[in-house]
Amino acid sequence: QKEVEQNSGPLSVPEGAIASLNCTYSDRGSQSFFWYRQYSGKSPELIMFIYSNGDKEDGRFTAQLNKASQYVSLLIRDSQPSDSATYLCAVALYNTDKLIFGTGTRLQVFP
Amino acid sequence: GAVVSQHPSRVICKSGTSVKIECRSLDFQATTMFWYRQFPKQSLMLMATSNEGSKATYEQGVEKDKFLINHASLTLSTLTVTSAHPEDSSFYICSARGSSGGTDTQYFGPGTRLTVL
Repeated sequence: QKEVEQNSGPLSVPEGAIASLNCTYSDRGSQSFFWYRQYSGKSPELIMFIYSNGDKEDGRFTAQLNKASQYVSLLIRDSQPSDSATYLCAVALYNTDKLIFGTGTRLQVFP
Repeated sequence: GAVVSQHPSRVICKSGTSVKIECRSLDFQATTMFWYRQFPKQSLMLMATSNEGSKATYEQGVEKDKFLINHASLTLSTLTVTSAHPEDSSFYICSARGSSGGTDTQYFGPGTRLTVL
């Protein structure tokens, strides 16, 4: 069973702080990793994808990948109340079309 | 770019009826579309992978005769929930795989909330 694991939270951070979201995966052959944001009652929206070890930055978001440790994270700088949502980590299984999703981490940013 | 639409956004039906949900990629061609189901406070569960012009591939435990998938064109896939029952009430979300952003990036439709009475 290929798994993607996330802490369900909630993770509470004050406005302006850095939120750190973590994800581990079991399929060592996975090559592609995605972070989606899902507001309550809505469908997921893509935030970032990352393929290579290291950091990838896009605005206030930084994705970090460590394939040796099978670990991917998302940092949100200058967190805003509008960032409050559930963040889903998704991993593309090796040599398939499928994405396996974690259960998501609920982030709460308080003013 | 990479916009996916779904219709209807919400449907309420009586037990035993069939419901069809459409998924369209509006500004790109999607050779592969995916159908997910999400129950409250749970993550997305893949139901099936739909490839244009061929039969869908269903995940283990998903009844292919109950959840009929048709991918008639590069921009349209449909999911029909046949003889729906209250336990089929859920949030159904499609995604389409596009080339923008990577070969396996999936873009999600807004979802369809199905309530079976």
